[in-house]
Amino acid sequence: KAGVTQTPRYLIKTRGQQVTLSCSPISGHRSVSWYQQTPGQGLQFLFEYFSETQRNKGNFPGRFSGRQFSNSRSEMNVSTLELGDSALYLCASSTDRGEDTQYFGPGTRLTVL
Amino acid sequence: DQQVKQNSPSLSVQEGRISILNCDYTNSMFDYFLWYKKYPAEGPTFLISISSIKDKNEDGRFTVFLNKSAKHLSLHIVPSQPGDSAVYFCAATRSGGSYIPTFGRGTSLIVHP
Repeated sequence: KAGVTQTPRYLIKTRGQQVTLSCSPISGHRSVSWYQQTPGQGLQFLFEYFSETQRNKGNFPGRFSGRQFSNSRSEMNVSTLELGDSALYLCASSTDRGEDTQYFGPGTRLTVL
Repeated sequence: DQQVKQNSPSLSVQEGRISILNCDYTNSMFDYFLWYKKYPAEGPTFLISISSIKDKNEDGRFTVFLNKSAKHLSLHIVPSQPGDSAVYFCAATRSGGSYIPTFGRGTSLIVHP
């Protein structure tokens, strides 16, 4: 079974631009979560989508948004990029419940100049 | 307010010895705990989990201990191997629903040959 895939793997943008990251979950997984990882901050939860609906949301500004398609693929968008948005963005998929194991993709490394 | 804390940012251990990684949590509603391992340039991978109905779970060289009264869990790796060198994340969640795991900031383990 193929794992979680994320595209692109690396991205360089400048301040003020916007960016869209893509995530394809494991086949059959309907829950997709997004995390931001920065040095020393661990994994900060952004949001979770389930059946095309945002089910959970972390404490990030409205510049961060996402969506999920009917095939469970998900996209994350960051508008008006700031230097502090430079991070590794990880996508994770799971079947449904909280105790189900989340499977992570390799991440997208975003650098904002 | 960090609900899951990994107070040691790094740990250095000799090959063949025991590695002990610690994690504390504050939310008494958490009843399911997970450990993930992360290599550079890769997403976290699930290592081992434990439910609050148990106080120990073992999988090969990896054992997780849970002390509910102290709200503390630890991951023991015996014997440690150089390939275990990675960042280890502790996560806590609530079972039975659409709860998102809360992650600690991670502990970087270095196993010296």
